[in-house]
Amino acid sequence: GQQLNQSPQSMFIQEGEDVSMNCTSSSIFNTWLWYKQDPGEGPVLLIALYKAGELTSNGRLTAQFGITRKDSFLNISASIPSDVGIYFCAGDNTGTASKLTFGTGTRLQVTL
Amino acid sequence: DVKVTQSSRYLVKRTGEKVFLECVQDMDHENMFWYRQDPGLGLRLIYFSYDVKMKEKGDIPEGYSVSREKKERFSLILESASTNQTSMYLCASSPGGASPLHFGNGTRLTVT
Repeated sequence: GQQLNQSPQSMFIQEGEDVSMNCTSSSIFNTWLWYKQDPGEGPVLLIALYKAGELTSNGRLTAQFGITRKDSFLNISASIPSDVGIYFCAGDNTGTASKLTFGTGTRLQVTL
Repeated sequence: DVKVTQSSRYLVKRTGEKVFLECVQDMDHENMFWYRQDPGLGLRLIYFSYDVKMKEKGDIPEGYSVSREKKERFSLILESASTNQTSMYLCASSPGGASPLHFGNGTRLTVT
C-alpha cells in the first residue's frame, strides 16, 4: 500500500510559536484526517476534512483540505507543552475508513 | 467515550512462539482493525474486519492472522513470531461508513 509523505519528520519549537505541517500524496483522497498520538497512548482524532478546499478549526488547530485533493495542512497556533506528541495525517478514498492511508508522522517537541 | 482496550501494554516473546494480541471495544462497533506502527513508516494496516467471522487483509498481512468470534473482540495472531515483527501494535474500531477510527493504547511487542 502507498504511504503519504508527511513533513517535517520532527520539530523542536518554543512555547508560543505557531506550527505548520503538511501531508502530500500522489493519489486523490475524498477524506483527510489528522490524528495526534500522545506518548504511550493511541492516536486520537483531531480534525476530519470531507471536502476539497475545506478549512476547519478545533481550538488552536486549523486544518485544510487541499484543492487538488492530494494534500492537507495542519497548523497549531501558540503552541503549549501539552502539544507534544506525534501528529499523523490519514487519507481515505473508500468512504469506509477501511483503507485509511497514514502519513509517516511529525514528532513535535515544545520547550518552555 | 468509546473504549478500545488492548490486553497487554508490553510483551516480550521468543522467536518461533505463537503470540496472541487481544483487543476489545465496548461500543458495539461493526469495524475493527489491526495496525502496526514503526518509526518512519507511520501506521500500516495488517487486517480488518467488518463483522463477526469476517476478515480482510490489509497492506501487510504476511506472518499474521486474525480472529473475530464475537463482535467486541478482535485478536491478532502471530503464528511463529520473528524478530522483524518487533513493533507497536494498535487496535482500532469504528461504527462503519466514513466514521473515524478509535484507537487503543497499543501493545509494544518485542521478539527476541
